[in-house]
Amino acid sequence: DAGVIQSPRHEVTEMGQEVTLRCKPISGHNSLFWYRQTMMRGLELLIYFNNNVPIDDSGMPEDRFSAKMPNASFSTLKIQPSEPRDSAVYFCASSFRAFGYTFGSGTRLTVV
Amino acid sequence: RKEVEQDPGPFNVPEGATVAFNCTYSNSASQSFFWYRQDCRKEPKLLMSVYSSGNEDGRFTAQLNRASQYISLLIRDSKLSDSATYLCVSISNFGNEKLTFGTGTRLTIIP
Repeated sequence: DAGVIQSPRHEVTEMGQEVTLRCKPISGHNSLFWYRQTMMRGLELLIYFNNNVPIDDSGMPEDRFSAKMPNASFSTLKIQPSEPRDSAVYFCASSFRAFGYTFGSGTRLTVV
Repeated sequence: RKEVEQDPGPFNVPEGATVAFNCTYSNSASQSFFWYRQDCRKEPKLLMSVYSSGNEDGRFTAQLNRASQYISLLIRDSKLSDSATYLCVSISNFGNEKLTFGTGTRLTIIP
């Protein structure tokens, strides 16, 4: 199994630009999670999907952030417009009933 | 107050020593607990689950104390390769797969 696949690995963008992060979960996993990690705040859950349906988006910082899961094998996290304080590592993870909870390698986002 | 709290460290420990971390949680409804390990610039990976009866995996022992709402991790005979950040994790509600992470404890094993 290829594991959870995220792209891009690194993204540098200018403030105000739109950023789209992508995630392919492990086949057969029915839950997908987007986390953000910073030195100050650690790992924070942004949004969680179950069977492609958003279950909990209480961690999404503000309206500039949106996430979609159009099918079981693909999800996106979009930031529009991006700001320097959005700079962080964004992780996608997938699981099947809390077992086999697996993270992708992350996307390191820098907004200048 | 964060739902899961850890001492951020750093813990600098000589090779071969025993080191222990504690983690406290505030949600008494939390059902399941885990320790994850995260290497520098890598993703978190599951180290072990934590059970009330305690569980051991080689040099690693995890323990859960529900009465005091804390979780511990003990590493015996520490190796250089144990250097990493250790994350304490809880699942709050039965049937909810959302993991809540502590901010992690950084461990460095010194030769």
